[in-house]
Amino acid sequence: AQKITQTQPGMFVQEKEAVTLDCTYDTSDPSYGLFWYKQPSSGEMIFLIYQGSYDQQNATEGRYSLNFQKARKSANLVISASQLGDSAMYFCAMRDPYRGSYIPTFGRGTSLIVHP
Amino acid sequence: NAGVTQTPKFQVLKTGQSMTLQCAQDMNHNSMYWYRQDPGMGLRLIYYSASEGTTDKGEVPNGYNVSRLNKREFSLRLESAAPSQTSVYFCASSQSVRNEKLFFGSGTQLSVL
Repeated sequence: AQKITQTQPGMFVQEKEAVTLDCTYDTSDPSYGLFWYKQPSSGEMIFLIYQGSYDQQNATEGRYSLNFQKARKSANLVISASQLGDSAMYFCAMRDPYRGSYIPTFGRGTSLIVHP
Repeated sequence: NAGVTQTPKFQVLKTGQSMTLQCAQDMNHNSMYWYRQDPGMGLRLIYYSASEGTTDKGEVPNGYNVSRLNKREFSLRLESAAPSQTSVYFCASSQSVRNEKLFFGSGTQLSVL
């Protein structure tokens, strides 16, 4: 079974609108971390936001926020006021225990296109 | 401001050839990783090194070997390249294997003909 599931292969949004990228995860351990990374067409991987499993508040970083619903095991990324430069692949990732280490596992990604 | 440096950026191999991908980080990180990225598959972990002197298999280790040469450097070797190893390879590092973000290199585009 996949540890990280991103069900939206592609998403489209109008510039200046908000968009939500879905991510669900599967772990039986109470201690884990959830991450989102952005990969623009240039290919580099850019860290966006982190949520720890014990964090009470949803994480926010500028226009990015993580909608963390622990009981539903979902960690959706919300991008407010989309910009053309937000067009990219977005990957959800989780660190959970594996043989004493917290090894990052990635989802398959969601391609976001922002229209002017 | 180098961060994680990978070489080469592009490589074309013939089936059966060998090569080593080099990775170095200058952030004094303890943990390093090699991932491969294939279309529609996300990033899959090949090998990781939790700390200097240790290496462990990830999800897709077959056909690869690694060496943690020192704290800075973590290399990935393909002993006998196969077309199935055509992929983009990313090296990454983090302070430890706890809940910390990864810092990525710029990637290596490898084609095996």
